[in-house]
Amino acid sequence: EDQVTQSPEALRLQEGESSSLNCSYTVSGLRGLFWYRQDPGKGPEFLFTLYSAGEEKEKERLKATLTKKESFLHITAPKPEDSATYLCAVQADRGSTLGRLYFGRGTQLTVWP
Amino acid sequence: GAGVSQSPRYKVAKRGQDVALRCDPISGHVSLFWYQQALGQGPEFLTYFQNEAQLDKSGLPSDRFFAERPEGSVSTLKIQRTQQEDSAVYLCASSLNVNTIYFGEGSWLTVV
Repeated sequence: EDQVTQSPEALRLQEGESSSLNCSYTVSGLRGLFWYRQDPGKGPEFLFTLYSAGEEKEKERLKATLTKKESFLHITAPKPEDSATYLCAVQADRGSTLGRLYFGRGTQLTVWP
Repeated sequence: GAGVSQSPRYKVAKRGQDVALRCDPISGHVSLFWYQQALGQGPEFLTYFQNEAQLDKSGLPSDRFFAERPEGSVSTLKIQRTQQEDSAVYLCASSLNVNTIYFGEGSWLTVV
């Protein structure tokens, strides 16, 4: 069964304190791993899609990396506006609807000044 | 429009009432998904359309849930005889090639 586990559930950082969020997955053939940001009362905002182990993508203070079993979202020198829930999702390449995403429960990040 | 648009944003329904939630995908997007998100959880897949064809409805929780996309653009998720456990955020997503999937702001349903 395809599964995604995110840790920690919640993370509090001081502004400027870099850290990483973890996404562990099991999937019957990974087609893509997605990261989203979700603000309270909003829909998920697309950040990255990673396709193969060793791939990295960056956007401002965020960098996502992928291995065969997990992905990390590194946040460098975070600011209060980075506070949000970060969702990880996997997309399988067989056995299910192409494009269907299996989500983790998210990591709630709070960055305080 | 620039993004996926959903309406209504908020809906309060009395138990037993029927509701309809609308999704306007990004223009030209072939793929359309519906997800359900409970508080504190990640989104859960409900159903998938490719153009007007509903190719996967395996995530619909019961036969009270019905979705359509008759002209391959706008989609409607209908919930009949709503129950309290249907209270959740219903998210619509669209994609051109399933490599980048964009979500709307969601429709918040509360059943009282």
